[in-house]
Amino acid sequence: SQELEQSPQSLIVQEGKNLTINCTSSKTLYGLYWYKQKYGEGLIFLMMLQKGGEEKSHEKITAKLDEKKQQSSLHITASQPSHAGIYLCGADRGSGGSNYKLTFGKGTLLTVNP
Amino acid sequence: SAVISQKPSRDICQRGTSLTIQCQVDSQVTMMFWYRQQPGQSLTLIATANQGSEATYESGFVIDKFPISRPNLTFSTLTVSNMSPEDSSIYLCSVVSVSYEQYFGPGTRLTVT
Repeated sequence: SQELEQSPQSLIVQEGKNLTINCTSSKTLYGLYWYKQKYGEGLIFLMMLQKGGEEKSHEKITAKLDEKKQQSSLHITASQPSHAGIYLCGADRGSGGSNYKLTFGKGTLLTVNP
Repeated sequence: SAVISQKPSRDICQRGTSLTIQCQVDSQVTMMFWYRQQPGQSLTLIATANQGSEATYESGFVIDKFPISRPNLTFSTLTVSNMSPEDSSIYLCSVVSVSYEQYFGPGTRLTVT
């Protein structure tokens, strides 16, 4: 079965600083999703990556999927307190194609101090 | 994108009872899933809710414990049966949009006493 490892597990940064969260898969990624979760709430969709080398940005958040499609990174530029939360990566379990069933990493808890 | 609502948002139930959670989407979707997030854990897929047929369950989950209905392309229910404290979790439904992005509902926080 596929395993996803997220690093770091937690991160505390000062407002305005940049940060990166990594998600490494034990298998080739055919679809990688990034979500943000506030404590005890639902998941907010951030981005979906499918192609090796793909990079997407939304506001101050950029996500990349490496060429070999086994690792993704999420980068936040000039962090703000509103970025605080738990960031989760989810990988499509399909092998050779998408089946939309996701396996999730354990999450990265981001704290942004004003 | 898709707008998803879940009812109830939270509940406290006694062991041995059952709770049915509803998931409503604002547009027709082909794929709908149910996930569970136990305290301090990440999300685990329970089952795929299939419209007009029996749900497809993941390893470790059975229909008797988690019966699922999906009468149409915008609605599904998940029942947690004969609850025990170990069932205390957040239950979330998700859908795949026409652009193949997957969106999650706000979740139902269940506490079993």
